[in-house]
Amino acid sequence: GAVVSQHPSRVICKSGTSVKIECRSLDFQATTMFWYRQFPKQSLMLMATSNEGSKATYEQGVEKDKFLINHASLTLSTLTVTSAHPEDSSFYICSAAVFRGAYEQYFGPGTRLTVT
Amino acid sequence: SQQGEEDPQALSIQEGENATMNCSYKTSINNLQWYRQNSGRGLVHLILIRSNEREKHSGRLRVTLDTSKKSSSLLITASRAADTASYFCATDEGYGNKLVFGAGTILRVKS
Repeated sequence: GAVVSQHPSRVICKSGTSVKIECRSLDFQATTMFWYRQFPKQSLMLMATSNEGSKATYEQGVEKDKFLINHASLTLSTLTVTSAHPEDSSFYICSAAVFRGAYEQYFGPGTRLTVT
Repeated sequence: SQQGEEDPQALSIQEGENATMNCSYKTSINNLQWYRQNSGRGLVHLILIRSNEREKHSGRLRVTLDTSKKSSSLLITASRAADTASYFCATDEGYGNKLVFGAGTILRVKS
């Protein structure tokens, strides 16, 4: 159990367009989902924490108007990169948290975004 | 922000050898977790160790935690080529469900 999917796995878009990435917990309900960004050969940087039915909490330095997060249900969160620019090209990973004595996060396979 | 510092940054060993990776952190924690990431893929949860535990085993993995030194180590015994990946530690900074990742160790196991 504890499978998280992301769609799409890869996306190429033109500068100025918007891209939506979906994150789903397939076999469990997650009270909280997280969105991370990872540049090549670097660690994961938390962008925002998403709780179902409430506004996302963004980390310092992350533009909330650029990275729109919607958490419509206990199994689905979406990240929309608006007016994408080449510097937004990155690997975006979501995770879903479940409490099993301690909070454990299960990660999606990631989405490679390339903005041309 | 990144709380953890990991060393070494990169490690190259022969198949069958043991690999040890270390992680240090700065604040109090409830637990510390280790993850593996294959190139261009998502993270796989390996093991969680609570702040009141000192050592934990899972198959070929052995994790230790020293809260007085704010450090943890991950030992992979009898390494295999398939263990080639990046390994990250992550702590909760005492907040519960929010994780802060270390910089990671890139492990290469040569066959």
